[in-house]
Amino acid sequence: DTGVSQDPRHKITKRGQNVTFRCDPISEHNRLYWYRQTLGQGPEFLTYFQNEAQLEKSRLLSDRFSAERPKGSFSTLEIQRTEQGDSAMYLCASAWYSQVDTQYFGPGTRLTVL
Amino acid sequence: DAKTTQPTSMDCAEGRAANLPCNHSTISGNEYVYWYRQIHSQGPQYIIHGLKNNETNEMASLIITEDRKSSTLILPHATLRDTAVYYCIVRVGPRGSGAGSYQLTFGKGTKLSVIP
Repeated sequence: DTGVSQDPRHKITKRGQNVTFRCDPISEHNRLYWYRQTLGQGPEFLTYFQNEAQLEKSRLLSDRFSAERPKGSFSTLEIQRTEQGDSAMYLCASAWYSQVDTQYFGPGTRLTVL
Repeated sequence: DAKTTQPTSMDCAEGRAANLPCNHSTISGNEYVYWYRQIHSQGPQYIIHGLKNNETNEMASLIITEDRKSSTLILPHATLRDTAVYYCIVRVGPRGSGAGSYQLTFGKGTKLSVIP
């Protein structure tokens, strides 16, 4: 399968715990995006990388959120000191930098904070 | 990026064409129209995009009006598996080397229900 993969698919955690999600993009794609989706809403952009450089992070929801893409391949999204309001679907998408920049999404990680 | 307006929901009979409208009256000359769909509990799926001309691929056709202020996504023979939320997104193309994030700005989309 050459699509975008995310791990885990589901995560249940207690308030105050830290969680980390992983995204493996399509292998030749150099751009990687993170989005968050709450119930009944469309996905909301969080941050993106071009290769290993994080070029936009102002939309990260708070300083509890951070993302890395250390070697320009897979990426991780970490949420520290989780809150109940962090419960959502976290989506990753990848793209090849081009005129069109079509993004392909993974299946998402559903986070539930108790 | 320009805003879009879509109906909240639509129904379509199985086997018939589904025509999903989108208004983007403030679109600018370098903005593309993208369509994505999201089947329940899955990530969004790219369908098609266009700039000025009508486009067709194996999934759908995209009709963009001459003034580019609106577009229609056409699923020629809807099946039950086409039941999903369909998002119309308008986004600018590259602004230059390394500039811009080109994130997609999703609205609430149109909930399409294909009925047997």
